[in-house]
Amino acid sequence: GQQVMQIPQYQHVQEGEDFTTYCNSSTTLSNIQWYKQRPGGHPVFLIQLVKSGEVKKQKRLTFQFGEAKKNSSLHITATQTTDVGTYFCAGRGFTGGYQKVTFGTGTKLQVIP
Amino acid sequence: DGGITQSPKYLFRKEGQNVTLSCEQNLNHDAMYWYRQDPGQGLRLIYYSQIVNDFQKGDIAEGYSVSREKKESFPLTVTSAQKNPTAFYLCASSKTGGSTDTQYFGPGTRLTVL
Repeated sequence: GQQVMQIPQYQHVQEGEDFTTYCNSSTTLSNIQWYKQRPGGHPVFLIQLVKSGEVKKQKRLTFQFGEAKKNSSLHITATQTTDVGTYFCAGRGFTGGYQKVTFGTGTKLQVIP
Repeated sequence: DGGITQSPKYLFRKEGQNVTLSCEQNLNHDAMYWYRQDPGQGLRLIYYSQIVNDFQKGDIAEGYSVSREKKESFPLTVTSAQKNPTAFYLCASSKTGGSTDTQYFGPGTRLTVL
């Protein structure tokens, strides 16, 4: 079945350093979404990538979708304490003839001021 | 004020008891979902529904049951058959359940079984 792995599981960075989380799928994806969950909160949608090789930016956040549509990354430039939280990717693909969304295991980001 | 509500925020139950978690949305979304979140395991899909009176099992449906009698409501029952029910439960909805849909999550219910 479809599996989505995310690395690293945890990341501690000094405020101002960059951060990257990677998402890898066992199968080709139709699209991938990224969500952020603040401590004690619920996942909130950040962005969706659909096209092969797509790159999207949101201020200090850069999202990429791989050429083969099996991997994706989220890069944060110059982290701030407001970036603290767990970042999840969610890949949508076809498994057994039907569409399925599989969430990655998440990367928990801690920013040290 | 539109959104998804889940109640209660915290729930405690004794082992062997069934418990029902509430999820209501006023976004007029067709699709609704239930996820379970455990530390280090991300979100795992329990059940989903793309239309009223219809629902499908997700990856970990055993020990759970749902109903979708109204568009805005998708309650989840955690039965005594669920071997390890203590977890954070998240309800979500999306417009159609289609391939480019965004899921909107409720605040979650933290269930602790004693």
